[in-house]
Amino acid sequence: TQLLEQSPQFLSIQEGENLTVYCNSSSVFSSLQWYRQEPGEGPVLLVTVVTGGEVKKLKRLTFQFGDARKDSSLHITAAQPGDTGLYLCAGVRWGNSGYALNFGKGTSLLVTP
Amino acid sequence: DAGVIQSPRHEVTEMGQEVTLRCKPISGHNSLFWYRQTMMRGLELLIYFNNNVPIDDSGMPEDRFSAKMPNASFSTLKIQPSEPRDSAVYFCASSLEGRTGRRRNEQFFGPGTRLTVL
Repeated sequence: TQLLEQSPQFLSIQEGENLTVYCNSSSVFSSLQWYRQEPGEGPVLLVTVVTGGEVKKLKRLTFQFGDARKDSSLHITAAQPGDTGLYLCAGVRWGNSGYALNFGKGTSLLVTP
Repeated sequence: DAGVIQSPRHEVTEMGQEVTLRCKPISGHNSLFWYRQTMMRGLELLIYFNNNVPIDDSGMPEDRFSAKMPNASFSTLKIQPSEPRDSAVYFCASSLEGRTGRRRNEQFFGPGTRLTVL
């Protein structure tokens, strides 16, 4: 079951532009993680947001967790070709048997020079 | 330090053949995850081990899939018999799961095995 919806699915922009990608769910998560995946490689964690309303910055990337801990956004300022990749959000759920990550399908970003 | 190691990186096989994918987690990590990634379905969790014990295998598609973790440094995912619809990239990930800072657990992914079943 895909609990997380990411939009847009594909995004092609020019270097220097700003962009925002979204991750939405009807479920509440303990925390939410953003990963970036480059072709031929596994996803790499960028950030974990834990508290509703939390905002984290990683250089030109700004991550926000919704107040209700159901959604998140990733904003990139002045995109560069090195930002090209698949951006995945993952909701973290804890249960009696441990934790699980529910991944969205991702936003595929292409930044052209 | 070496990251998560997966082998083979690419596997091409014919329908009906047995396929075994291998994973060596990061030393000291106590949790191991097998995922499958396709364009249609994205990244799906197949099975999750904690301290070598399978905790959640609800994502395993059917009886043709099986996974083992005989020790803390090795895991296998086996498909027998393989079918064309099993074609995908299979990822292994490991993490150090603990109750302290539990909401900040990070999973480290291997490079994946690209499986093609003809």
